Amino acid sequence: ILNVEQSPQSLHVQEGDSTNFTCSFPSSNFYALHWYRWETAKSPEALFVMTLNGDEKKKGRISATLNTKEGYSYLYIKGSQPEDSATYLCASPMDSNYQLIWGAGTKLIIKP
Amino acid sequence: SAVISQKPSRDICQRGTSLTIQCQVDSQVTMMFWYRQQPGQSLTLIATANQGSEATYESGFVIDKFPISRPNLTFSTLTVSNMSPEDSSIYLCSVEGWSGGALNEQFFGPGTRLTVL
Repeated sequence: ILNVEQSPQSLHVQEGDSTNFTCSFPSSNFYALHWYRWETAKSPEALFVMTLNGDEKKKGRISATLNTKEGYSYLYIKGSQPEDSATYLCASPMDSNYQLIWGAGTKLIIKP
Repeated sequence: SAVISQKPSRDICQRGTSLTIQCQVDSQVTMMFWYRQQPGQSLTLIATANQGSEATYESGFVIDKFPISRPNLTFSTLTVSNMSPEDSSIYLCSVEGWSGGALNEQFFGPGTRLTVL
């Protein structure tokens, strides 16, 4: 069974602080790594799709890096704001059908 | 992108009853997907709903428990039958974007939060 793992499961961060969390995935047969953000009562929305080892993507205060050789990706949030409170999900397609296998998410709570 | 709506947004149901969740997309799509996320667990694909044919179920999910309808290219329903507390989850429908292959972004509905007593 191929698993995508995320850590930590939840995270409390003071407003203004920076934070990061991890997505681990099998490094063999790698196709892509997706990050999604899921706010309560809203639809999950895509943040990044990454494919190349060493890739780094950025959207505002949020950035992500990818290491396909060791099978992990980090998501960074700089200067956390209350609106960053959400569950952050990562997913990776594990076969040629490209069906996404999802991590359980990291629930981020920003304390004002 | 696609805009997806789901009804109901949440429900509290009694054990042994059934609930039908509706999913409406603002554009025609070939495949629609139904997921669930049990508390503390990963998003898990239940089935793929194709218009004009039976849904394709993932391992561990069966049609008798989760019947799916797909009457046209913009609408699908998922029924959770004979519910038990273990069915308490968030149920999401989704469609794929147009990037293709491993880069395919998925667009999700806002989810249906189901609690079974």
